[in-house]
Amino acid sequence: AQTVTQSQPEMSVQEAETVTLSCTYDTSESDYYLFWYKQPPSRQMILVIRQEAYKQQNATENRFSVNFQKAAKSFSLKISDSQLGDAAMYFCAYRSFYTGANSKLTFGKGITLSVRP
Amino acid sequence: DGGITQSPKYLFRKEGQNVTLSCEQNLNHDAMYWYRQDPGQGLRLIYYSQIVNDFQKGDIAEGYSVSREKKESFPLTVTSAQKNPTAFYLCASKPSHRGWEKLFFGSGTQLSVL
Repeated sequence: AQTVTQSQPEMSVQEAETVTLSCTYDTSESDYYLFWYKQPPSRQMILVIRQEAYKQQNATENRFSVNFQKAAKSFSLKISDSQLGDAAMYFCAYRSFYTGANSKLTFGKGITLSVRP
Repeated sequence: DGGITQSPKYLFRKEGQNVTLSCEQNLNHDAMYWYRQDPGQGLRLIYYSQIVNDFQKGDIAEGYSVSREKKESFPLTVTSAQKNPTAFYLCASKPSHRGWEKLFFGSGTQLSVL
């Protein structure tokens, strides 16, 4: 079974600075998807960014980018120019590429990010 | 606007009581999911449904039941058999067995035991 580990329960960043959130995963598969979700105080989950394992290029969405290291099974999220609105809980998630209609997301335990003004 | 509506936002359960959490979507999505979120535990899958009148158990289905009589609705019942029901419950939906980037979440229901 796949597992997703987020070992840092909390992190803090100064507004306008850059922060990196870590995520590692364990899988025997070669093709899969990885996601970062944001859960703000409203508690509604929002997709931040996703990465296909077969793509070598790291995904980027505006101020959010990932550092995907397939051999190391590492998938970190970098937030540039941090804003107060980035304060939230962030979850890393994994999905197998091959399990078809019954595939599911496996989530990490999350990390709480606070942004200092 | 299309979206997922979960109700109520807060729910209290007495000992031995069954309670039902509502999840309604107007996104015309085929698949719907129920997750449980505990502090420090992340999200865990309770039940999911790929099509009307069909559903499957997730990782922590014991003490829960669901139905999928309509495409728009996927209610979750927390039965008295669930001994530790206090948690935050999230419903989600997506268009088909593909398109996980199109997974949408509701705003959740916080269930507490009196």
